[in-house]
Formats: sequence, structure tokens, C-alpha cells
Amino acid sequence: DVVLTQTPVSLSVTLGDQASISCRSSQSLEYSDGYTYLEWYLQKPGQSPQLLIYEVSNRFSGVPDRFIGSGSGTDFTLKISRVEPEDLGVYYCFQATHDPWTFGGGTKLELK
Amino acid sequence: EVQLVESGGGLVQPGRSLKLSCVASGFTFSNYGMNWIRQAPGKGLEWVAYISSGSSYIYYAETVKGRFTISRDNAKNTLYLQMTSLRSEDTALYYCARGDGYYDYWGQGVMVTVSS
Repeated sequence: DVVLTQTPVSLSVTLGDQASISCRSSQSLEYSDGYTYLEWYLQKPGQSPQLLIYEVSNRFSGVPDRFIGSGSGTDFTLKISRVEPEDLGVYYCFQATHDPWTFGGGTKLELK
Repeated sequence: EVQLVESGGGLVQPGRSLKLSCVASGFTFSNYGMNWIRQAPGKGLEWVAYISSGSSYIYYAETVKGRFTISRDNAKNTLYLQMTSLRSEDTALYYCARGDGYYDYWGQGVMVTVSS
């Protein structure tokens, strides 16, 4: 199975700071069709997860442009510029390239 | 408005069975693949199973393969998860989520507790 390793596990920030989360895959996530099925989700406290980014860098509808996804192959990054209070929670990367599909372990973004 | 409402959870003894349902509304259910994703208490997310729009493609996580069965009834706009031979490690909040490659809508989840 593909293992997604997220770092850091926890990230303390000041509002207005930039935050960066890494997701490394044990295998390349480029599918045979040329697409890379790597996504990012945010789970706010007490809520269901919500989609932020799909196919590495595409923001889902309504997601602010301060969320930027990048990467290729096995290394991916989610950057959040100017962290706001509603950005706090646990971030998960997820791959749907290789069966079985898998989530990363999560990164908790909290206030310093 | 897209809505996904799960039901059928509860407390069940190890080795027993349980069937979850997810009723969809606000979109054409038969056009979308659907998934079950779970979260053990205090833990991360685990993808469980996927079924394509017409039920032609079905995939499972290794941890549930052979014990869980995902199915759907497009006429009833309902997704199911039949869970058998339940184990304590299956204790989790089970979400249904819409999508074939990414999950744009999620339900609120239904709790399944496996304990004697």
C-alpha cells in the first residue's frame, strides 16, 4: 500500500503567518492517464473533513487563494499564506492513484 | 443543497454484523461514485470502500476486504455498507462521501462501537 507521510505532525503558528505542510509518498502518485490524484482536506474541530485541493494544485470551489498546493511525483506541499482563525484544524493529504487509496496521518495546525 | 445523511450505527458485539446507510439528496446520485471513510476516536482518517456510479467498480481497504460490502440503490438514492465479523478496531465514526477521485461532499458521520 502507498504510505503518505505528513510533516510536521503539529504546527503552531501566529495568525497572519505562513504555514507549510509536507506530504511524501512511498510511490510516485502520477497515474497512467498523466494526472496526479493527490488531494488535501481540512477537518475543523467537531466537523466533517472538507476538500481544499485536488489533483495537487486545484483549489476546490470556494477555497481561498491563500491555500496553495504544489509538488509532483512523491513530494507534495500545502502552503497557507496569512493563516486565519478559520484555518485551524487537522490537514490530511490523500492519494487516489493507487488502490487501496490512503490518507496521510494528519497535521494539526494550531495557534502559538 | 447536497446532503448526505448516514444512519444505522450503534453498539454491536465483536463478531456480529451491522449495516450502514447513507441517503443522498440535492444531486443526481446515479451520476457519482460514492465512498465510505472512517475515523477511529482521536485518530486520523481511513478510506474504507468505493463504489462507482453504476456499481461496476468496487474497491476496499485491505483492513475490511472480505468482511465489508459496499453497495448502492440508485432508485432510492442510498449507499450502504454491510459490515460483518466486526472487530474492536472497526470502532469509528463512519462517513459517506461523494466522489470518484476526490470527495467534495461528506455526511456528518455515524458512530459504530464494537464492544462486548
